[in-house]
Amino acid sequence: GAGVSQSPRYKVAKRGQDVALRCDPISGHVSLFWYQQALGQGPEFLTYFQNEAQLDKSGLPSDRFFAERPEGSVSTLKIQRTQQEDSAVYLCASSLDSNSDYGYTFGSGTRLTVV
Amino acid sequence: ILNVEQSPQSLHVQEGDSTNFTCSFPSSNFYALHWYRWETAKSPEALFVMTLNGDEKKKGRISATLNTKEGYSYLYIKGSQPEDSATYLCAFVNYGGSQGNLIFGKGTKLSVKP
Repeated sequence: GAGVSQSPRYKVAKRGQDVALRCDPISGHVSLFWYQQALGQGPEFLTYFQNEAQLDKSGLPSDRFFAERPEGSVSTLKIQRTQQEDSAVYLCASSLDSNSDYGYTFGSGTRLTVV
Repeated sequence: ILNVEQSPQSLHVQEGDSTNFTCSFPSSNFYALHWYRWETAKSPEALFVMTLNGDEKKKGRISATLNTKEGYSYLYIKGSQPEDSATYLCAFVNYGGSQGNLIFGKGTKLSVKP
């Protein structure tokens, strides 16, 4: 597609519910990144894929967070047993490679609210 | 802990004013600095990626400078327009750090009044 697409745009989850957030990167982009932006903060790195390989998951805040990109294209970020502190905007970005001279292309984000 | 600071937190200017804001980052192990513009309800948009000390980049009325020795970058907007209203984010990339691990500041929110 023309840009990075994320769905859903908004998600309200009850505490304890599992959620899945989807990211469709730009076709052909090798690198894919997930970031979490809490209210009043800058985006924080969660995880990075190169094709289907998850090369860095050091930013995932707990073992309730899981990300996958099985075919090296679409990625899903799953949060199990959501907690209120998971409420944030989740941003996905993609790039031709990880050392892009042009920056990364971001999606519009998914705003997750846990009630 | 690597820290990226942006100032001011918010800024209100009149249309036609020129303005600038600052991004401070660690001066050691520098690899790159990214600037993004994020308009409400849209995606963050890449403005510049800067890698060399003394670098100056320009895109229309927006320009940026980089000082890696002292750890700061300035973003300048000449003749602000209402459509420049957005949050401007900078992000530091640490040499030897994880690829893709952009360390973002909290942003500067710019409002331009017509």
